[in-house]
Amino acid sequence: AQSVTQPDIHITVSEGASLELRCNYSYGATPYLFWYVQSPGQGLQLLLKYFSGDTLVQGIKGFEAEFKRSQSSFNLRKPSVHWSDAAEYFCAVGADSWGKFQFGAGTQVVVTP
Amino acid sequence: GAVVSQHPSWVICKSGTSVKIECRSLDFQATTMFWYRQFPKQSLMLMATSNEGSKATYEQGVEKDKFLINHASLTLSTLTVTSAHPEDSSFYICSATAGLAGTEQYFGPGTRLTVT
Repeated sequence: AQSVTQPDIHITVSEGASLELRCNYSYGATPYLFWYVQSPGQGLQLLLKYFSGDTLVQGIKGFEAEFKRSQSSFNLRKPSVHWSDAAEYFCAVGADSWGKFQFGAGTQVVVTP
Repeated sequence: GAVVSQHPSWVICKSGTSVKIECRSLDFQATTMFWYRQFPKQSLMLMATSNEGSKATYEQGVEKDKFLINHASLTLSTLTVTSAHPEDSSFYICSATAGLAGTEQYFGPGTRLTVT
């Protein structure tokens, strides 16, 4: 069965500190993997995606993610967070980029001064 | 990137009434639209897949008679919650895609439905 797990429901990080959000997946075939950010009143914004190639993916807003097939993980990282990074982050998996997705439960990121 | 809008952004209705939510792709033709439901502090759950000109495909456990989906044009899909009850209160999000290899999926800002 397909599943996406985000183990951390809530993370608090100081501004300027590094951030890592975990995502583990279970999928029968080689999946497309995505990270989205959701801010209040706004739609989901795609941060980055991975299907093949270099396992370290660069995204927007200074985010990157690393695909590790052996660990079935696709963790999101940012070296130095800004207050504007406070939001809900979702990991998602799909068979392609234009079909239906399965989302993880989300991780709420709070940024403190 | 492409823009997907939803209308209304929030709506309050009385129990037993029906409410319609619109999802529009503003600058591209969306052959496929997806409808998700998000409960507070929870993930997005796919409700149905809507293809232009054909009947929607509903996920297991979603009542097709309660959640009517129409995708009459390449830029508009509607979700009608019929005979709404308080348990239907939720955040409804649509996404749209051109449905072609290599294309992306774009999400609307969501509609907050409160049934009193």
